[in-house]
Amino acid sequence: KAGVTQTPRYLIKTRGQQVTLSCSPISGHRSVSWYQQTPGQGLQFLFEYFSETQRNKGNFPGRFSGRQFSNSRSEMNVSTLELGDSALYLCASSAGHVDYNEQFFGPGTRLTVL
Amino acid sequence: SQQGEEDPQALSIQEGENATMNCSYKTSINNLQWYRQNSGRGLVHLILIRSNEREKHSGRLRVTLDTSKKSSSLLITASRAADTASYFCATDTNFGNEKLTFGTGTRLTIIP
Repeated sequence: KAGVTQTPRYLIKTRGQQVTLSCSPISGHRSVSWYQQTPGQGLQFLFEYFSETQRNKGNFPGRFSGRQFSNSRSEMNVSTLELGDSALYLCASSAGHVDYNEQFFGPGTRLTVL
Repeated sequence: SQQGEEDPQALSIQEGENATMNCSYKTSINNLQWYRQNSGRGLVHLILIRSNEREKHSGRLRVTLDTSKKSSSLLITASRAADTASYFCATDTNFGNEKLTFGTGTRLTIIP
């Protein structure tokens, strides 16, 4: 089985721009979660999608949004970029079992905001 | 916000020695997981322990869980250079929900 893929791997944007990141989960996985990793705040949960519905959301401003398509692929969007949005954005997919949610992570997208 | 605090923040040991990392968390959990991350890459799932389990083994890994103390430990035996990485504990606090809350991580360096 192919693993979780994320595109692009690296991205450089300037303040005020918007960005869209893409994640393709493992085949058959219906849950996709997004995390932001920074040196200062560590790994923080952004949101999770299951069967095209946002099922949970972390404490991030409304500039961060996402969606999931019928094939379980997911995108996240960040509008009006700020310098503090520079981070490694990780996507994880899971089969969505009720009591066992081992998550499989992609390699991440490294976003740099100048 | 961070659910878990890991201790130590950094650890350097000689190859062949055992490495122990500890994780403490704040709220009741459904399960606790350990992940490894190599140098700014994606995370690799190592092991999951449920809240009703006390100890679990997987190869050279041994995880313990003490829910009364809200703590867990990860032991890596007979360490290898390839074990050099950051290790994170992650707690699942919502039954049936995929949200994981990660600890701050331990940076492990194995000296050949």
